[in-house]
Amino acid sequence: TQLLEQSPQFLSIQEGENLTVYCNSSSVFSSLQWYRQEPGEGPVLLVTVVTGGEVKKLKRLTFQFGDARKDSSLHITAAQTGDTGLYLCAGATGAAGNKLTFGGGTRVLVKP
Amino acid sequence: NAGVMQNPRHLVRRRGQEARLRCSPMKGHSHVYWYRQLPEEGLKFMVYLQKENIIDESGMPKERFSAEFPKEGPSILRIQQVVRGDSAAYFCASSLNGEGTEAFFGQGTRLTVV
Repeated sequence: TQLLEQSPQFLSIQEGENLTVYCNSSSVFSSLQWYRQEPGEGPVLLVTVVTGGEVKKLKRLTFQFGDARKDSSLHITAAQTGDTGLYLCAGATGAAGNKLTFGGGTRVLVKP
Repeated sequence: NAGVMQNPRHLVRRRGQEARLRCSPMKGHSHVYWYRQLPEEGLKFMVYLQKENIIDESGMPKERFSAEFPKEGPSILRIQQVVRGDSAAYFCASSLNGEGTEAFFGQGTRLTVV
């Protein structure tokens, strides 16, 4: 069974601070996706990383895929209150279509 | 997640009734996935369907749950004889192809069993 562990489970910071969320596994994934989920809504795709060592930037968000394609991180620079939400990482094996294994999520609270 | 439509958004059923959840994938997408999110838990894979075929149902409970994706119309997740433990948010996702393409999620159906 493939597992994805996210840490921390909960993060509370002040506006303007930086934060990093980690997603780790003992399994190799063909790709890893990061989602953000608001209460009562479905997950919204932020980014997909595919190549080991890949780094992608989305405005103040930086996503990195580990060289061995087993782990990933999400770094937010100068967090804003609008960044508050549940961040989910999800790994795809490729062999099973887009069947995703999700991490447990990191709940981020950015206080003004 | 624009384009993946799920209905109803909220569904209340009494124990023993049947629940039918519908998912219309994004235009052009022929791959559909169902996930369940229990309160305070992450999303868990249930079933993967491609038009008229079940590709992977390894996450589906063995009894009472079934899914279909007919040639015409939405994908349906059907739960017979619901129990309180079935209360959860059920999400559908679709992708253009199977391997290596991104999955986009609907807004979910929140099932409450009373």
